[in-house]
Amino acid sequence: AQSVTQLDSQVPVFEEAPVELRCNYSSSVSVYLFWYVQYPNQGLQLLLKYLSGSTLVKGINGFEAEFNKSQTSFHLRKPSVHISDTAEYFCARGPGGFKTIFGAGTRLFVKA
Amino acid sequence: EAGVAQSPRYKIIEKRQSVAFWCNPISGHATLYWYQQILGQGPKLLIQFQNNGVVDDSQLPKDRFSAERLKGVDSTLKIQPAKLEDSAVYLCASRSLEKAFFGQGTRLTVV
Repeated sequence: AQSVTQLDSQVPVFEEAPVELRCNYSSSVSVYLFWYVQYPNQGLQLLLKYLSGSTLVKGINGFEAEFNKSQTSFHLRKPSVHISDTAEYFCARGPGGFKTIFGAGTRLFVKA
Repeated sequence: EAGVAQSPRYKIIEKRQSVAFWCNPISGHATLYWYQQILGQGPKLLIQFQNNGVVDDSQLPKDRFSAERLKGVDSTLKIQPAKLEDSAVYLCASRSLEKAFFGQGTRLTVV
């Protein structure tokens, strides 16, 4: 079965430090990958997506992710985080249709 | 554009009671989803509609959950009777091309 694994349930980091949130997916012939962010008491918002083409994908709020087919990974990175980045981040995959499979989420805590 | 609207925002019920959630997707979006997000887990797809037809309801506990989208616009999700393990956030989403837009969710607590 197709799956998405987020390797860290919680990531604490100091403000202005870099951060990487890790995501691995089960291998498939074709895969679409997404990162969503969920701020407290809000719905999910799309940060970025990989459909094809360049393996380095840039999203909103300074986030980027790199698609690595050999390692079946799609890690999310930001070079300098802000307090306002505190949220839960979900990695997700689509098999080419409309169904999306979500990881369990990584809670990012940014400390002053 | 206006977002996906859901109501109510919060609901507390006793086990074995019934509850219904409402979703108004973004205008023109033919595809609508209901997800269940249990605390500490990622969202799990319950049901997917294409207009007013069901595309996928393989993970919907049909003995107690039901959903409809009669006119291909608004949708309701019902639980009857509720169990303690149904406590979760129920997210509605609608789609344009590859991007899904999510509502704020309804937080259900079953006591």
